[in-house]
Amino acid sequence: EIVLTQSPGTLSLSPGERATLSCRASQSVSSTYLVWYQQKPGQAPRLLIYGASSRATGIPDRFSGSGSGTDFTLTISRLEPEDFAVYYCQQYGGSPLTFGGGTKVEVK
Amino acid sequence: QVHLQQWGAGLLKPSETLSLTCAVYGGSFNGYYWSWIRQPPGKGLEWIGEINYRGGTNYNPSLKSRVNISVDTSKNQFSLNLISMTAADTAVYYCARPLDSSTWYRYVFDIWGQGTMVTVSS
Repeated sequence: EIVLTQSPGTLSLSPGERATLSCRASQSVSSTYLVWYQQKPGQAPRLLIYGASSRATGIPDRFSGSGSGTDFTLTISRLEPEDFAVYYCQQYGGSPLTFGGGTKVEVK
Repeated sequence: QVHLQQWGAGLLKPSETLSLTCAVYGGSFNGYYWSWIRQPPGKGLEWIGEINYRGGTNYNPSLKSRVNISVDTSKNQFSLNLISMTAADTAVYYCARPLDSSTWYRYVFDIWGQGTMVTVSS
């Protein structure tokens, strides 16, 4: 099973700042099979990025994804108030598919 | 606009069986694999398994011995049964649909049910 480790666990930032979230895999994952979600309290996850860098429909371009192999990054260029949430990465290059433990982006 | 509506018992005793159903509204049912995913309180997400419209299933090995996912194509519904529930199974359970019906995006979940909080307690 591929383990995804997300860091940091919590990111304390102010609106307007840049957020950089990391997702590290225990073994190489094709970028095709790397996904990012956003989750707000009491809500289901929302698809943000798939294929490591492709934004889902309706996702603002301040969200971007990059990376390859074992290291992947989600970047939010300028945090808006609605971006404070928990972010999860997910892989499905290995079986079973797995999720990372999440990074919480909170208001500083 | 595709919408997933799920329901089922929210409070179970240890050793009981969880039964949840997810209905698909407003879109195609056939051609997709439909998944169940759970999230313990304050923790991350765990994929439970999937089913297609023909009844083909795949399960997470960690739960395979206790899980059964079934489908009712006449109602555009699929269901999750998880036997021998324990406190460790306490979680929000979600049904989910992938981005499209291709194998390529089979595990990119873009439509989710509202979630069902399931508590296992004596």
